Amino acid sequence: QVQLVESGGGVVQPGRSLTLSCAASGFTFTTHGMHWVRQAPGKGLEWVAVISYDGNNKYYGDSVKGRFTISRDYSKNTLLLQMTRLRREDTAVYFCAKDGQPRNDYGCEIDHWGQGTLVTVSS
Amino acid sequence: EIVMTQSPATLSASPGERVTLSCRASQSISSNLAWYQQKPGQAPTLLIYAAGKTAIGVPARFSGSGSGTEFTLTISSLQSEDFAIYYCQQFNSWPQSFGQGTRLEI
Repeated sequence: QVQLVESGGGVVQPGRSLTLSCAASGFTFTTHGMHWVRQAPGKGLEWVAVISYDGNNKYYGDSVKGRFTISRDYSKNTLLLQMTRLRREDTAVYFCAKDGQPRNDYGCEIDHWGQGTLVTVSS
Repeated sequence: EIVMTQSPATLSASPGERVTLSCRASQSISSNLAWYQQKPGQAPTLLIYAAGKTAIGVPARFSGSGSGTEFTLTISSLQSEDFAIYYCQQFNSWPQSFGQGTRLEI
């Protein structure tokens, strides 16, 4: 079955950097786009970023553009999120998630989610 | 960015009732919409995709409809396990975006 396991969360000071990882298994990693979605404490879902199945296309939410970088390591079936210049408002649970459709170039639903990793930006 | 607006913010209902949740897009998104359910402390789960297609394993009491800018999620007969927060999401254009959620409570 599909498993997405996030790691790398923790407490970090404003202005610093942090990298999140997501270990993927149970599906063909090379054929599905992958997302990061976050949820601030007590708030709703916010879409953060996506990387296409082939790694050629990346899109970001406006609040993280220029500060966050999404990437994927096919040799390790791992999704990454490099977060720089962190702000207090980046405090959230970060979910890794996968596209519901294989080889999709235009966007589709998310059909599986990890359990999330908490990032707290605080001095 | 496309703004997704859900209504109501909170809906109170009883088991056995039929309820309808609404989602409006700030511009046309065709049928490129999904609905998710989230329970406290858990990740969201997919209910509906392509506006009206039910995801695998989702009970038949859940249905979705709409296209363009107006969408609805209907639960035909509420069960106790359906009390949760529901989100719509557009995947018509980048960046993708979620509605603010509808809390369904007893």
